[in-house]
Amino acid sequence: LAKTTQPISMDSYEGQEVNITCSHNNIATNDYITWYQQFPSQGPRFIIQGYKTKVTNEVASLFIPADRKSSTLSLPRVSLSDTAVYYCLVGDMDNQGGKLIFGQGTELSVKP
Amino acid sequence: EPEVTQTPSHQVTQMGQEVILRCVPISNHLYFYWYRQILGQKVEFLVSFYNNEISEKSEIFDDQFSVERPDGSNFTLKIRSTKLEDSAMYFCASRRGGPVGQYFGPGTRLTVT
Repeated sequence: LAKTTQPISMDSYEGQEVNITCSHNNIATNDYITWYQQFPSQGPRFIIQGYKTKVTNEVASLFIPADRKSSTLSLPRVSLSDTAVYYCLVGDMDNQGGKLIFGQGTELSVKP
Repeated sequence: EPEVTQTPSHQVTQMGQEVILRCVPISNHLYFYWYRQILGQKVEFLVSFYNNEISEKSEIFDDQFSVERPDGSNFTLKIRSTKLEDSAMYFCASRRGGPVGQYFGPGTRLTVT
């Protein structure tokens, strides 16, 4: 599984757009990029997944450049409830194992 | 929206005792997982399960651990003889198949005294 690097922490204010960038220089051809959110004492929650270009859902957008060596999770107009740890994971999701290897994630703190 | 459920939410046990953690994955999912998270640390993969057998397991998943899908809905993790260091949140996850995300349950907090 490709190793990922993301900032340890970020601060933001309510109403701002937050962009969290993740580096994955060794991403393989079959790898997908997936982002999860975790609140304290809760299970990780799937946010978004992509392979290339841009993916958008009701929660976030995921931007992936052509070389796929990085990706950016964009959270529009964050609120206090978006304070959480965000994980970037890269791996082959289409095999029988499909295990997820979590790093330390990015601790996002949203202030009023 | 379908959810992964886990029971109990909190389990306290004495060292050396056996515990069984239960999970009900989302009904049309085919791949099942257990992860754990020791307080203040990152989420760690334990085991994946597909087609009624273990597909992959980590070094943590030693002979003290076992998994089972006893019927069409439950997925269990058994720890035969618990140690103090087994104290953690245990998360069950499932996914449908193909390149889609895994969906996690709320977790079981296991406290070994």
